[in-house]
Amino acid sequence: AQSVAQPEDQVNVAEGNPLTVKCTYSVSGNPYLFWYVQYPNRGLQFLLKYITGDNLVKGSYGFEAEFNKSQTSFHLKKPSALVSDSALYFCAVRVPTDSWGKLQFGAGTQVVVTP
Amino acid sequence: NAGVTQTPKFQVLKTGQSMTLQCAQDMNHEYMSWYRQDPGMGLRLIHYSVGAGITDQGEVPNGYNVSRSTTEDFPLRLLSAAPSQTSVYFCASSLTGTNNSPLHFGNGTRLTVT
Repeated sequence: AQSVAQPEDQVNVAEGNPLTVKCTYSVSGNPYLFWYVQYPNRGLQFLLKYITGDNLVKGSYGFEAEFNKSQTSFHLKKPSALVSDSALYFCAVRVPTDSWGKLQFGAGTQVVVTP
Repeated sequence: NAGVTQTPKFQVLKTGQSMTLQCAQDMNHEYMSWYRQDPGMGLRLIHYSVGAGITDQGEVPNGYNVSRSTTEDFPLRLLSAAPSQTSVYFCASSLTGTNNSPLHFGNGTRLTVT
């Protein structure tokens, strides 16, 4: 069975400081990994994905994520956070050999960026 | 571009009532799915479809039915609502044929069952 964990319910950061949102996964085989962001009263929006290749993936709005196979992690990062980055962030994993619909989401991490 | 459209945005039901949550997409996506979002539990897959006429169960299918008669529409039916089905429901779609296509989400339906 595949699973994904986001160990922090909430991350607080001051505007201009680096932002990190943690994600670890447990799957058999090589994973496809995704980050999504949810603003209040909206659906999730795709940020970035790791399929294969470079371990550092760049995505939308200045976000990037680092895939670490030995630590089974896929942490989301942004060098300088903005107040507008305050939102709920979800990590998700899919196994290529699994059925098409099996995208597993983490519980989400609330990011609060203070001015 | 409309993307994924969900209706209604809000709904209150009494226990035992039935209703259908509507979902439509205009991107010609083969794959469509329904998730429910509950606090502290992330999103859980209810049902999904890889094309017209094909549906399959996700992680939490009990109490829900789906059908896919067209590429564009993927309604979710609650036959006899229960308080445990109080949740926010999201429809999502993506291209099929590749496992790395990102999902496009609707803005959700907030359902309360009393």
